[in-house]
Amino acid sequence: EIVLTQSPATLSLSPGERATLSCRASQSVSTYLAWYQQKPGQAPRLLIDDASNRATGIPARFSGSGSGTDFTLTISSLEPEDFAVYYCQQRSDWPPYTFGQGTKLEIK
Amino acid sequence: QVQLQESGPGLVKPSGTLSLTCAVSGGSFISSNWWSWVRQPPGKGLEWIGEIYYTGTTNYNPSLKTRVTISADKSRNQFSMNLYGVTAADTAVYYCARRGPYFDFWGQGTLVTVSS
Repeated sequence: EIVLTQSPATLSLSPGERATLSCRASQSVSTYLAWYQQKPGQAPRLLIDDASNRATGIPARFSGSGSGTDFTLTISSLEPEDFAVYYCQQRSDWPPYTFGQGTKLEIK
Repeated sequence: QVQLQESGPGLVKPSGTLSLTCAVSGGSFISSNWWSWVRQPPGKGLEWIGEIYYTGTTNYNPSLKTRVTISADKSRNQFSMNLYGVTAADTAVYYCARRGPYFDFWGQGTLVTVSS
C-alpha cells in the first residue's frame, strides 16, 4: 500500500499570503495524484487531478506540481474561503486508493 | 450535474451490519465511471472502502475486504454497501462518490455510529 505523508499538519497564514502544501509518497505514483479541499461538515471537493490539472470550476490561484514521490499544492494568494483541510490522494497503485492524513490550513 | 445521496440507519449495534444506499441522479449510472464508498472517522482522514462498476465488477480495500460487499441496482440508479461485524472503530461519516478517474462527485455524507 502506498502511504502518502502530508506536511505540515497545520499551516497558519493570513489572507493574501501564499500557501505551499506538501505531499510525499512512499513510492513513485508518477503523476497519478489528486488534491482535495474539505470544509467542516462538507464532502471533499476535487481541486487538482493528475498532479497539475485544475478540476472544473477551480480558481486559477490553485496550482499543483510534482511527479514521482514529491508533490506540492500552491495557493497563490489566500482568500478567506480557502481555509480548510487539504488531502492528497493517489491512484497509481491500487487497491487501495489512499489519501494523505491532511493539512489543516488555518487563519493566522 | 451528477448528484449522489446516501441513506441508511444512523445507528448500528456492535457485531451488526452497516447497510447504506447511494442514489445517483443527474447522470447515468451506466457510464465509464466507478461508484465508490469512502469513510471518515470523526476528526480523522479519509479511507477508501471499495467501488463498483455498472457491470457489477467490484474492487475493495484489502483491509476491509473480508467484511464488505458492494452491489448495484442499475434499474434504480443506485448502489449499496454492507459492512459486516461492525465495531466502534467503524463509526464514521460514510460518503458515496463517483470515481472517474478521481473522486469528482460526492454525496453529502451520512454519520453512522456503532453503539449499543
